[in-house]
Amino acid sequence: GAGVSQSPSNKVTEKGKDVELRCDPISGHTALYWYRQSLGQGLEFLIYFQGNSAPDKSGLPSDRFSAERTGGSVSTLTIQRTQQEDSAVYLCASNPTGPLNNSPLHFGNGTRLTVT
Amino acid sequence: RKEVEQDPGPFNVPEGATVAFNCTYSNSASQSFFWYRQDCRKEPKLLMSVYSSGNEDGRFTAQLNRASQYISLLIRDSKLSDSATYLCVVSGYALNFGKGTSLLVTP
Repeated sequence: GAGVSQSPSNKVTEKGKDVELRCDPISGHTALYWYRQSLGQGLEFLIYFQGNSAPDKSGLPSDRFSAERTGGSVSTLTIQRTQQEDSAVYLCASNPTGPLNNSPLHFGNGTRLTVT
Repeated sequence: RKEVEQDPGPFNVPEGATVAFNCTYSNSASQSFFWYRQDCRKEPKLLMSVYSSGNEDGRFTAQLNRASQYISLLIRDSKLSDSATYLCVVSGYALNFGKGTSLLVTP
């Protein structure tokens, strides 16, 4: 497909386990973003990649969260030792050039993470 | 102060009404502005970009006031299908989202 693809679509995990979320952006999009959205809340910025590097990691809530992007394409967001407050929908988005041009984001369907 | 602030609503309006949402932002260096729409349990989708001169797309009109650092969205002749949460988005180092304004259009 031509859109942003995220997997898994749903993930239920036990507290304390590690999880890995995957995002496959639109081909050719150099910028990739991770956001999370808790129930009834707005989008919380986590991290942004330009190519394989992350100029802005300011949104990662703790050192249990990390992300990487390889080959300027697929990105994985890893949450170690998950806590119940990590339960949210994790949304990935991409755009062709980055945040400073008038280029909107294209979102994936998200991964709904539930920590029990 | 949050980067992007919106009145959360909800705004309950009858079909055919005109409704307006405002959004304020804190980073005066922001260059790109958007309105997104998010339906319940769905991902956000672009509604329209916001240009300095203001722009219109059918029943939707967006305005930008750089001096006062606010953006507005006007919806005319509201339809039931307009019911959603409207997210104001402002560029910074990333794209910063407001928490959204909830709109419910009733018959």
